[in-house]
Formats: sequence, C-alpha cells, structure tokens
Amino acid sequence: GNSVTQMEGPVTLSEEAFLTINCTYTATGYPSLFWYVQYPGEGLQLLLKATKADDKGSNKGFEATYRKETTSFHLEKGSVQVSDSAVYFCALSSAVSNNNDMRFGAGTRLTVKP
Amino acid sequence: KAGVTQTPRYLIKTRGQQVTLSCSPISGHRSVSWYQQTPGQGLQFLFEYFSETQRNKGNFPGRFSGRQFSNSRSEMNVSTLELGDSALYLCASSSGVATGELFFGEGSRLTVL
Repeated sequence: GNSVTQMEGPVTLSEEAFLTINCTYTATGYPSLFWYVQYPGEGLQLLLKATKADDKGSNKGFEATYRKETTSFHLEKGSVQVSDSAVYFCALSSAVSNNNDMRFGAGTRLTVKP
Repeated sequence: KAGVTQTPRYLIKTRGQQVTLSCSPISGHRSVSWYQQTPGQGLQFLFEYFSETQRNKGNFPGRFSGRQFSNSRSEMNVSTLELGDSALYLCASSSGVATGELFFGEGSRLTVL
C-alpha cells in the first residue's frame, strides 16, 4: 500500500542554518505529494505541494522537488528562523482512488535556536 | 472564509464512557476526514465522509464511528472509551476532488482517565 517514510527527529538547528528533512514514498500510480506543518497547539497547515514528477513546491522559503526516480520529496530551506520551529509532516495522496486517502509520515520535530 | 471548526477543543472522560466530537468544514467543502494523532502512532486515518457517505475507512475498531449531515458537518463517536483512546482528534475538510489538499481544524484533545 501507499506509505511515507521521513527522517526521524528531533532536529535542532541554529538560526540561519540550512535545513533538509528527508522524505521517501511508496505508492502505486502517480501520487500528489505534500508537506504539512504543525505549530504548537495548532492543527496541520499545508506548507507546499507537488502534483507531478519534477514539480517543485515552494512556500515561505521552503522548497521540495517531486523526484519520481528516487521516490523522494525532501524538504529544504536555506536559512531557518526561530519561527520555523514546528513539526513537519510529509504526506501523499493517491491519484488512483477518488477519495481523500492521505497518508502521513511520522513527523519531524524541528527546533531552531537563536 | 471561515476555517474548519472543531468542538469541543478539550475534554476529559473516564474509561467506558462514550464521546462525540463535532467538525464544521469550510463552507462549500463536501469531504470531511478524521485523524487520530498520538505521540506513539503519529497521524492515523480514521475515516472520510463525502456527501453524507463514508467513502474510506482506516484500521480502527468498530467503537470508532462517524457520520456526516446534509450541511457537510460531521461528527465522530467513540464508544466504550479506553485509556489508549487519549489523543488529539483532527478533522480535515476538502472539496472532495482527489487532489488531496486538506484543511485541518485545531483538533479536539481527548483525555481518558
């Protein structure tokens, strides 16, 4: 079945450091890929998405490229801020089924220190 | 436009009781999905409703049930509560098209004593 594997955390970085959170997936067909972010005490918010191979999703300085050949969708940011501290979830949605069967990774907690 | 609203935000129950959680989706959205979030298991899919019909279901026991009303509002019910049901229950709405973009509420945090 469809599944997502993302790097385990927690990840602790200093402000302005480079961030990479790895995400790989297993799916049939051509899924859509997502990164969601959860700030403390809140629900999940969509950060970025990509719907086909080689697409690059970007938002708030974060980027991720849909790599079909490596089945990956790694999240990157060139210079993190304290306000980026949150839990990040990689997710996929099957394009085969006509329903919302979103599968999430385990989440990676990021802490950015001043 | 207003986001996804979940009520109640916090509740405490004892083992054996039942609980009902409510979710009002974004206006115009016809799909509502429910997820359970725990530190040990992460985000687990419970079920999805679309136009009052359960369209998809995760691997949870029959104690977990849900329904959707004609105005797209949804409720989920957990009967005979167990300690392990303590979790953050998240509701997400979407237009229902299989693009997968979900809009989440802030969740209902259930504590079972």
